[in-house]
Amino acid sequence: DAEITQSPRHKITETGRQVTLACHQTWNHNNMFWYRQDLGHGLRLIHYSYGVHDTNKGEVSDGYSVSRSNTEDLPLTLESAASSQTSVYFCASSDSGVETQYFGPGTRLLVL
Amino acid sequence: GENVEQHPSTLSVQEGDSAVIKCTYSDSASNYFPWYKQELGKGPQLIIDIRSNVGEKKDQRIAVTLNKTAKHFSLHITETQPEDSAVYFCAPFRTYKYIFGTGTRLKVLA
Repeated sequence: DAEITQSPRHKITETGRQVTLACHQTWNHNNMFWYRQDLGHGLRLIHYSYGVHDTNKGEVSDGYSVSRSNTEDLPLTLESAASSQTSVYFCASSDSGVETQYFGPGTRLLVL
Repeated sequence: GENVEQHPSTLSVQEGDSAVIKCTYSDSASNYFPWYKQELGKGPQLIIDIRSNVGEKKDQRIAVTLNKTAKHFSLHITETQPEDSAVYFCAPFRTYKYIFGTGTRLKVLA
């Protein structure tokens, strides 16, 4: 069955370190998204991509970057982790022209 | 910017009763109105959606109603069951805008 996976599921890191969260989908969806989820804020969009080599900033993109070298993967990089980036991160994908998003299981990140 | 509000933020109902969650949005260009359910430790999952040319849609025990003039849409769950306990998010959509409500925690008491 097609799916969307995230790794690692849990990560502890220190402030200032670079961290990369992986997202992989097997639906062959063109659109991929990264959100963070914090209490009281719901889901907030970090970056999104509409296809290979396409990336766009979302609502809370500062301190994060993404690159899209193939259809299946959209890794999220925290250039220099900060305690404010402690959160649960969700990756999602959707097909071109289709609004419904399919979410991964999430990565819980703790920055000490 | 776009403002999306959900009410209530928490809701407790007795098993078998109905639950209604309302989502209010500000962007009149929104044209797709989904509801997502998030169970503990999982990612959100679409449970029902509606488009701007339709006023109501039902799928077994769940329904969504849309009032485009007033800019709100609601999730209705009838005959609630313990497995309906979760956090529910609305996400009114228009092209290039992906904004989620802050969520409603529904507890179904047995």
